[in-house]
Amino acid sequence: GAGVSQSPRYKVAKRGQDVALRCDPISGHVSLFWYQQALGQGPEFLTYFQNEAQLDKSGLPSDRFFAERPEGSVSTLKIQRTQQEDSAVYLCASSLAGLGQGFVEQYFGPGTRLTVT
Amino acid sequence: DAKTTQPPSMDCAEGRAANLPCNHSTISGNEYVYWYRQIHSQGPQYIIHGLKNNETNEMASLIITEDRKSSTLILPHATLRDTAVYYCIVRSGGSYIPTFGRGTSLIVHP
Repeated sequence: GAGVSQSPRYKVAKRGQDVALRCDPISGHVSLFWYQQALGQGPEFLTYFQNEAQLDKSGLPSDRFFAERPEGSVSTLKIQRTQQEDSAVYLCASSLAGLGQGFVEQYFGPGTRLTVT
Repeated sequence: DAKTTQPPSMDCAEGRAANLPCNHSTISGNEYVYWYRQIHSQGPQYIIHGLKNNETNEMASLIITEDRKSSTLILPHATLRDTAVYYCIVRSGGSYIPTFGRGTSLIVHP
């Protein structure tokens, strides 16, 4: 019964570098979410996957942000040409049900703290 | 989704009940009230949700006023491990994107 795991837990990148953040959801969970959490703020939605399909990417702040979930399990959030304003905690969450099935609690990972210097 | 208002911080003595308020005066009929909490350096954790009836589970109780414009999360016997930021979220059943806001930072002291 492992929960959602994320790696790395901490990442320091120099401005302009590309980074890749990994999320391992709970096995069998259909839905996967990415959130960005700035210091002192609540998490803000970035993107949503149902299995391998990215159904909503309305929260991605720019075209430097890209997410994928090619086999419907593990997901990667990639940030190209990182900027200082990208510094935040990136949270991944998964849930058992897909859209249209009512509310199902989301299980969050511990997050990856990204610091861009 | 309706906007929520929560006090930025509260404190509570260990073993006492912690009552966390949330105002959601613009809530509509099909919107649920959800509570999550986030312990330092962890991701948010679901606590409880309700539509109009009071709800109770092993973690907490949720009291929703009759007009549904406000609610209270009750931790009946707070422990030091309940120190966290508590988020009150209002959203419709078909909406999968919660708006967290800044929440209430609850400090439970010995």
